[in-house]
Amino acid sequence: GAGVSQSPSNKVTEKGKDVELRCDPISGHTALYWYRQRLGQGLEFLIYFQGNSAPDKSGLPSDRFSAERTGESVSTLTIQRTQQEDSAVYLCASSPIARTSGGSEQFFGPGTRLTVL
Amino acid sequence: TQLLEQSPQFLSIQEGENLTVYCNSSSVFSSLQWYRQEPGEGPVLLVTVVTGGEVKKLKRLTFQFGDARKDSSLHITAAQTGDTGLYLCAGAKGAQKLVFGQGTRLTINP
Repeated sequence: GAGVSQSPSNKVTEKGKDVELRCDPISGHTALYWYRQRLGQGLEFLIYFQGNSAPDKSGLPSDRFSAERTGESVSTLTIQRTQQEDSAVYLCASSPIARTSGGSEQFFGPGTRLTVL
Repeated sequence: TQLLEQSPQFLSIQEGENLTVYCNSSSVFSSLQWYRQEPGEGPVLLVTVVTGGEVKKLKRLTFQFGDARKDSSLHITAAQTGDTGLYLCAGAKGAQKLVFGQGTRLTINP
């Protein structure tokens, strides 16, 4: 079946503009995650959805960042008034409900590379 | 402050050599996962370790979870050029949330 898809794959924008990044998770996966990965770095957690609700938004770096999920499917990460420090790869992942507290495997999309000029 | 510290951050060795990558924390995790990421792609899960002291083998890769469930290691035997990539450890906090280390960028030279 299809994996996690993200669009666009690359986005170049000017400082101060708003951007929307889209994630299509694996069908039936209830959990959806957004991460940010700066060049050569690990993954920085941004937000997590369980269904359409976001029980953990603790990683959003500022109020310029927001995300929503509809139909327990597609999610959109919006960055308003982009800054140069927002330049990074934004990764989306989905997973089924964790059976235990051991954590479920997260299936990642290829990411959206955002460049803010 | 990085919750999970990986070392080394960069490692470049010759094909055929052995190597070990470490993932350390002062926190206890319910499980720990290792992912591998290639350029332009998202990370892909290699293994999940759940029990303190657990050892899992995946062909030439051996993963160990510390007895106290605070640290883990990845050992690769007879490295191959195809092992090149970014290796990420991730600790589970609760049922869903993962905390990632900063990664170890491994280069295997022919």
